[in-house]
Amino acid sequence: GQNIDQPTEMTATEGAIVQINCTYQTSGFNGLFWYQQHAGEAPTFLSYNVLDGLEEKGRFSSFLSRSKGYSYLLLKELQMKDSASYLCAVRPYNAGNMLTFGGGTRLMVKP
Amino acid sequence: NAGVTQTPKFRVLKTGQSMTLLCAQDMNHEYMYWYRQDPGMGLRLIHYSVGEGTTAKGEVPDGYNVSRLKKQNFLLGLESAAPSQTSVYFCASSYYRGTNGNQPQHFGDGTRLSIL
Repeated sequence: GQNIDQPTEMTATEGAIVQINCTYQTSGFNGLFWYQQHAGEAPTFLSYNVLDGLEEKGRFSSFLSRSKGYSYLLLKELQMKDSASYLCAVRPYNAGNMLTFGGGTRLMVKP
Repeated sequence: NAGVTQTPKFRVLKTGQSMTLLCAQDMNHEYMYWYRQDPGMGLRLIHYSVGEGTTAKGEVPDGYNVSRLKKQNFLLGLESAAPSQTSVYFCASSYYRGTNGNQPQHFGDGTRLSIL
């Protein structure tokens, strides 16, 4: 089975940097996805990691360490609009494109 | 380009009533999924489909049925609604091009369902 852990809530200041961690235990690993979900809206895709290392996309970066079962999402130059939930999802091996989601981290950005 | 469209957006049912949630995608995706999202529990997979005419159970399938008669549509049915099925339901779709691919799931806006 899969077990995915993320902090429930985080608070950060506008303009700062925040790191949202995700740890996972899975019987096989075939990729990790990060999604952003604003309150009352659909999740939207942010990033994908399948190999160890850092993937950068503008203000957002995602890191993966497969040996440690660990990923983080790094948000730089925080803006008020970044207030949202961030969902970590793992794709197990030999499971097609099925994803197992963590409970999500609710990020509040304060002025 | 509409992406993934869910209908209805809101619905209130009485215990024991039945209903069907509709999902349509215009991206020619092979895979489609139904999730429910409850506070503190994240997204949980109810049923999924890997192609027209095929369906399979996810993590929490009990009390739900699905059908995929056309590639672009995936229907979720509640035969006899129960208060425990009060939730936000999301449909998603994706390509599948083999292992290791960056094939994100694309989500609809959700259906907020309350069972009284």
